[in-house]
Amino acid sequence: QQQVKQSPQSLIVQKGGISIINCAYENTAFDYFPWYQQFPGKGPALLIAIRPDVSEKKEGRFTISFNKSAKQFSLHIMDSQPGDSATYFCAAGNTGGGNKLTFGTGTQLKVEL
Amino acid sequence: DVKVTQSSRYLVKRTGEKVFLECVQDMDHENMFWYRQDPGLGLRLIYFSYDVKMKEKGDIPEGYSVSREKKERFSLILESASTNQTSMYLCASTTHPGTAYGYTFGSGTRLTVV
Repeated sequence: QQQVKQSPQSLIVQKGGISIINCAYENTAFDYFPWYQQFPGKGPALLIAIRPDVSEKKEGRFTISFNKSAKQFSLHIMDSQPGDSATYFCAAGNTGGGNKLTFGTGTQLKVEL
Repeated sequence: DVKVTQSSRYLVKRTGEKVFLECVQDMDHENMFWYRQDPGLGLRLIYFSYDVKMKEKGDIPEGYSVSREKKERFSLILESASTNQTSMYLCASTTHPGTAYGYTFGSGTRLTVV
């Protein structure tokens, strides 16, 4: 069962453009929504995370937008750089019901010069 | 920095072999996880453990077992390897995913079953 749906599967953006990755979830018990970034040959690393009590969180060029009523959240990468080329995973977890995360299927981002 | 170390980067095994994947973390984390990563399917949870000698099934536990005899070590066991278990296996640990640190992942073990 896919509880976190992620799109698109792949994305090509020009340098300086905005990269947008979307995720939707089904389980209303989820209360923690992180994004992970994975470079080739490495494990995923936490990039940014949000809780449902806020609609937006920004860290540098990375912003999470959260829509609780629609059960959707998205990652925006402003001024995308070639160094941002990686695979991005959204995830969701229920912090009161254990520590496991459910991950999306991943988005392979390529930022071209 | 927390480190999660997976014993092998690449592994090739034959069908029917018993396979052990080892994971060690150095920050006294209570929670450890095994995921497999496949293209188009993302990360899927196999097993996890909240404490020593405790284990719980994830979403795809069939064909796998785990062992956690010490807090820092979490082993994934393929009882009889099959070709459909060819995958990238990722170990992770955390105190709690709601902390600033989230999960710390190892670099992965790419297992090929022939």
